Amino acid sequence: DTEVTQTPKHLVMGMTNKKSLKCEQHMGHRAMYWYKQKAKKPPELMFVYSYEKLSINESVPSRFSPECPNSSLLNLHLHALQPEDSALYLCASSHRVGDYNNEQFFGPGTRLTVL
Amino acid sequence: AQSVSQHNHHVILSEAASLELGCNYSYGGTVNLFWYVQYPGQHLQLLLKYFSGDPLVKGIKGFEAEFIKSKFSFNLRKPSVQWSDTAEYFCAVNGAGGFKTIFGAGTRLFVKA
Repeated sequence: DTEVTQTPKHLVMGMTNKKSLKCEQHMGHRAMYWYKQKAKKPPELMFVYSYEKLSINESVPSRFSPECPNSSLLNLHLHALQPEDSALYLCASSHRVGDYNNEQFFGPGTRLTVL
Repeated sequence: AQSVSQHNHHVILSEAASLELGCNYSYGGTVNLFWYVQYPGQHLQLLLKYFSGDPLVKGIKGFEAEFIKSKFSFNLRKPSVQWSDTAEYFCAVNGAGGFKTIFGAGTRLFVKA
């Protein structure tokens, strides 16, 4: 299984809502990533988890809260978002952070719209 | 600072034309290089990758790329494009053993049938 899955595919939420994005991989990867991709822009790194511990937070606002409950799962909890947070949120995984050859496998993304 | 620069933001070609998309990077150290493709409405897919060894790498769907270390370049080529190659192409780099992958701004390719 060389797939990263993400749910939901689409999410519409109000600025006062709390919602969560989910990501799952069963490739035995120990590094997982959240990216944000605005329309016609490249993906931008948000968070990196390595062995279930947060390794990188790219100065992301606290209304985004990541969680890695186990080595296969990665969540992104959303609260009090702004309309400008509307984007495609991509999850990725790689074998290990620190590997010489750090190829990342991407999920299909969750398209988030904040009203 | 680490960066990736893609020279062309939009490219329009006719079917059977040859394709070359430019990518230059700035990174202090050993790098891994990637080209990803994103078809309309679909997720990022890896086209090809360079870690070490032969600087000419072949990927899926007839694409290839050449790593020229002296020029900090990793250009993508395809001898004859098809309408189905219409997509956005991203060059990306990460440091060997590193955490962070940096993407270029992307090149939107439109192939006319």
